[in-house]
Amino acid sequence: AQSVTQLGSHVSVSEGALVLLRCNYSSSVPPYLFWYVQYPNQGLQLLLKYTSAATLVKGINGFEAEFKKSETSFHLTKPSAHMSDAAEYFCAVGLLTGGGNKLTFGTGTQLKVEL
Amino acid sequence: DTGVSQNPRHKITKRGQNVTFRCDPISEHNRLYWYRQTLGQGPEFLTYFQNEAQLEKSRLLSDRFSAERPKGSFSTLEIQRTEQGDSAMYLCASSFGQSNQPQHFGDGTRLSIL
Repeated sequence: AQSVTQLGSHVSVSEGALVLLRCNYSSSVPPYLFWYVQYPNQGLQLLLKYTSAATLVKGINGFEAEFKKSETSFHLTKPSAHMSDAAEYFCAVGLLTGGGNKLTFGTGTQLKVEL
Repeated sequence: DTGVSQNPRHKITKRGQNVTFRCDPISEHNRLYWYRQTLGQGPEFLTYFQNEAQLEKSRLLSDRFSAERPKGSFSTLEIQRTEQGDSAMYLCASSFGQSNQPQHFGDGTRLSIL
């Protein structure tokens, strides 16, 4: 069974400050991990993915995440927050099944960026 | 690459009615997924197609739900005899290549049951 825990349903940062969104996973096999962002009334947009290559993964819009197997974590960071980063962020772990990749999502973290 | 398209964007219906949603994946994407997202939660997997074959269904997908992908291109998700608990955002995603490749999501269909 796979699961994802996102610590902190709401995170608030000042514009220009570091963004840190936490994700811990549980997986019985080497995981495929993803971060998605969702803006109101829209679908999910892929930020970055980890598929067993480099442990530090760079994504779009200046975001990056580091896979730490010993901590079963895949935290998302951005050095300097921008107002446009305000959105909901979902961490997901993929389970390969029947030729597909069934994603299990966390409950999400709402990021608020303040002036 | 025009992205994953879902129609309608919003659907309001009375309890007990049947509804059908459509998903057009990115051209040439052979894998298609349906997820359901309720307020304040992450998406939950419903079902998965590889080409026209439905290869996995979640236990969340009760007998009132049926999904098809008749020609391996677009897909439909039908809910019969809708219930209040069916109110949610229904998301479609598609992918291509190796099965670990990321899924590209549409903007979803928001279903409201009166």
